[in-house]
Amino acid sequence: RKEVEQDPGPFNVPEGATVAFNCTYSNSASQSFFWYRQDCRKEPKLLMSVYSSGNEDGRFTAQLNRASQYISLLIRDSKLSDSATYLCVVNRGKTSYDKVIFGPGTSLSVIP
Amino acid sequence: DTEVTQTPKHLVMGMTNKKSLKCEQHMGHRAMYWYKQKAKKPPELMFVYSYEKLSINESVPSRFSPECPNSSLLNLHLHALQPEDSALYLCASSQDLDRDRQETQYFGPGTRLLVL
Repeated sequence: RKEVEQDPGPFNVPEGATVAFNCTYSNSASQSFFWYRQDCRKEPKLLMSVYSSGNEDGRFTAQLNRASQYISLLIRDSKLSDSATYLCVVNRGKTSYDKVIFGPGTSLSVIP
Repeated sequence: DTEVTQTPKHLVMGMTNKKSLKCEQHMGHRAMYWYKQKAKKPPELMFVYSYEKLSINESVPSRFSPECPNSSLLNLHLHALQPEDSALYLCASSQDLDRDRQETQYFGPGTRLLVL
């Protein structure tokens, strides 16, 4: 079993739709969690950190459930520009000394 | 300035060549990372430097040799690579100052490497 798993995708959704991505992690010692997006042939860019209390940034909402070892990302009112691969990132610790694991990514295509 | 720069953008090399990839950041970050990314796969961590010291080496073959000349620069020296080493090589940096804070990594645009 992979240490970080994500919905296999791809997700093809119409503009304006709400889409949810799920991510699970196996190491209960994991400390910090992030969602990154990666456009085709570009580098990953931080979308948002994920906090225990849940956090929201505009149309994006991230949730963390430590008991279930589960992270989610909700995108409301999808835009064409949201088309990208979404990577769940888990860090066993809170600094660079600890291992950073990327999930396999979930591809999103928002269709006009 | 939240920019991490990498050179070159593209590199084609033969299996007997020696080349180097360069990464630079001027954000005052004290942790720097090398990742390898194959097509349609997530980035895989190779090396981590913290305060200019190698802190993580993810069992990377010795044909990849990292170097951190100072806190702003990170190099990856390549020698006797194989065609399967062809990939996007990404550099990233993070602050690495406070154990109580979540560390955001900022990525450079990457170097696309092709080994013939």
